[in-house]
Amino acid sequence: AQSVTQLDSQVPVFEEAPVELRCNYSSSVSVYLFWYVQYPNQGLQLLLKYLSGSTLVKGINGFEAEFNKSQTSFHLRKPSVHISDTAEYFCAVSFTHIIQGAQKLVFGQGTRLTINP
Amino acid sequence: EADIYQTPRYLVIGTGKKITLECSQTMGHDKMYWYQQDPGMELHLIHYSYGVNSTEKGDLSSESTVSRIRTEHFPLTLESARPSHTSQYLCASSDAPGASTDTQYFGPGTRLTVL
Repeated sequence: AQSVTQLDSQVPVFEEAPVELRCNYSSSVSVYLFWYVQYPNQGLQLLLKYLSGSTLVKGINGFEAEFNKSQTSFHLRKPSVHISDTAEYFCAVSFTHIIQGAQKLVFGQGTRLTINP
Repeated sequence: EADIYQTPRYLVIGTGKKITLECSQTMGHDKMYWYQQDPGMELHLIHYSYGVNSTEKGDLSSESTVSRIRTEHFPLTLESARPSHTSQYLCASSDAPGASTDTQYFGPGTRLTVL
């Protein structure tokens, strides 16, 4: 069965500092990995996704993530954060429902990133 | 930019009431999803649809029901709301036929409180 673990429930960081949000997954099949961001009072928005190819994936707003198959990790990084990056970040693994072909996303518990001035 | 809408954004109701949470998308996506999200917790899939007149239950058991009569509309109904239904409900749709590789686009959510 697929599962996702986000190791930190909250991460406080000072503005312009680097940040890493950790994500580990468990899956018995090939995976596709996603990071979504949820700003206050809004729905989730895709930051980036890993499907295949280069293990370093670049997303929107200066974020990037690295897929590490041996460590079953997909950590999210940004070299210099801004106040506007304050949000909840969700890691997710995707697999296809066998019968109907619909995507099923399994989400981690989320990491609340707080940027302090 | 994705166009997916949910109404109402906030709803406070009494126990035993029937409610319908609306979700509409203008992108022509075939696949639509409902998630339940409790504070500080992950999202759990409660319903999904891969086209008109097709609905399936998700991984998390839910007393709610859904319908998909039109491509753009995927309402969720609770026949008799209870305090245990208090949660945030997120609707999403996805665009590509690749299934596992799809990007899901989310609405802003409905925060439901049942007294």
